[in-house]
Amino acid sequence: AQSVTQPDIHITVSEGASLELRCNYSYGATPYLFWYVQSPGQGLQLLLKYFSGDTLVQGIKGFEAEFKRSQSSFNLRKPSVHWSDAAEYFCAVGALDNTDKLIFGTGTRLQVFP
Amino acid sequence: GAVVSQHPSRVICKSGTSVKIECRSLDFQATTMFWYRQFPKQSLMLMATSNEGSKATYEQGVEKDKFLINHASLTLSTLTVTSAHPEDSSFYICSARDPLLGYTEAFFGQGTRLTVV
Repeated sequence: AQSVTQPDIHITVSEGASLELRCNYSYGATPYLFWYVQSPGQGLQLLLKYFSGDTLVQGIKGFEAEFKRSQSSFNLRKPSVHWSDAAEYFCAVGALDNTDKLIFGTGTRLQVFP
Repeated sequence: GAVVSQHPSRVICKSGTSVKIECRSLDFQATTMFWYRQFPKQSLMLMATSNEGSKATYEQGVEKDKFLINHASLTLSTLTVTSAHPEDSSFYICSARDPLLGYTEAFFGQGTRLTVV
């Protein structure tokens, strides 16, 4: 069965510092991978996605992610964090059964200190 | 991007009553919508897949009779929490895909905070 693991429940960084949020997946084939961000009490906004091709994916708000098949990882990065980036971040994988379902990781809560 | 609107954003109801949550795709037709439940500080758990013109497909462990899903049109899916109890209090989120865009991304509603007192 597919699964997504986000090892870090909570991360705290200083504003201006670099950021890397980890995501590992379990999947039988080339996965569809997504990163979403959720502000408190809000829905989810797509940051970026990977389907195929270039393994380094650029997203909105200065985020990028790199698909590494050998490590089954899709880590999210940002070179310089802004206070407005404080939110919950979810990694997700598209389901194998062609139902368009998404399977989410447990999320990583990002705090940004000034 | 496509817009999914969810209503209401917050609702408080008495135990034993029913609550209906609407999910609308505003600028595209969604043959399939998804309903998720999110407990505080936890991830999204898929409850069911809502298919236009047919019965919803529920995930294992989700009570069909408690969480009624209706997808009567290509732009509207509703989730009704019947005979609500305090343990049903949660954040409910819907999502939809635009089939014309292929398998790209799911667009999420802003969520509904349900509190059962």
